Amino acid sequence: EAQVTQNPRYLITVTGKKLTVTCSQNMNHEYMSWYRQDPGLGLRQIYYSMNVEVTDKGDVPEGYKVSRKEKRNFPLILESPSPNQTSLYFCASSLQGIVGNTIYFGEGSWLTVV
Amino acid sequence: AQSVAQPEDQVNVAEGNPLTVKCTYSVSGNPYLFWYVQYPNRGLQFLLKYITGDNLVKGSYGFEAEFNKSQTSFHLKKPSALVSDSALYFCAVRDPSGSARQLTFGSGTQLTVLP
Repeated sequence: EAQVTQNPRYLITVTGKKLTVTCSQNMNHEYMSWYRQDPGLGLRQIYYSMNVEVTDKGDVPEGYKVSRKEKRNFPLILESPSPNQTSLYFCASSLQGIVGNTIYFGEGSWLTVV
Repeated sequence: AQSVAQPEDQVNVAEGNPLTVKCTYSVSGNPYLFWYVQYPNRGLQFLLKYITGDNLVKGSYGFEAEFNKSQTSFHLKKPSALVSDSALYFCAVRDPSGSARQLTFGSGTQLTVLP
């Protein structure tokens, strides 16, 4: 089954404790992206990757890092989480670029930073 | 810069009645437009998209959307609403002529279909 898999789905952590949210897709997609969803703000893009070893900042990259060492994986790293990073996070993927191509989303990861 | 507006945070409709969820956009070129739906505790699911061609686009679950270039709108519609259609709906836009690669989402509209 074609899917985007995120882990963990739910996490409560403390301020400053590094964490990684993993994302994996099995559709051989070149493009992958991370979004955060906050009430009243919709989805805002954090980082995206057009292919292996190619990453770029989205609209809200501060406080986040990503890497794309393999095509299928695109982990999101919070080096020193802060409470304003409490949010619902989505990983997404699509074929090369998103021009006209459908983006597929993971189930989401609820992150709470206390 | 591209942007999307969903003017209604909440839409309520009775089951069996037609529904409309509004979306307007702003891009510098010809837009690619998308609708996604999010059910509780789930990721976003693709409903339909407009790339080119017929202004009326049909998608999943009986939904359709009409692209109106003069009004810069892409409203989502369904002739007869079901209780199971209750969810959060997102409109999104992509400007294919731009250098940015991201999809810009609206703030979302919560649709509630009342039995």
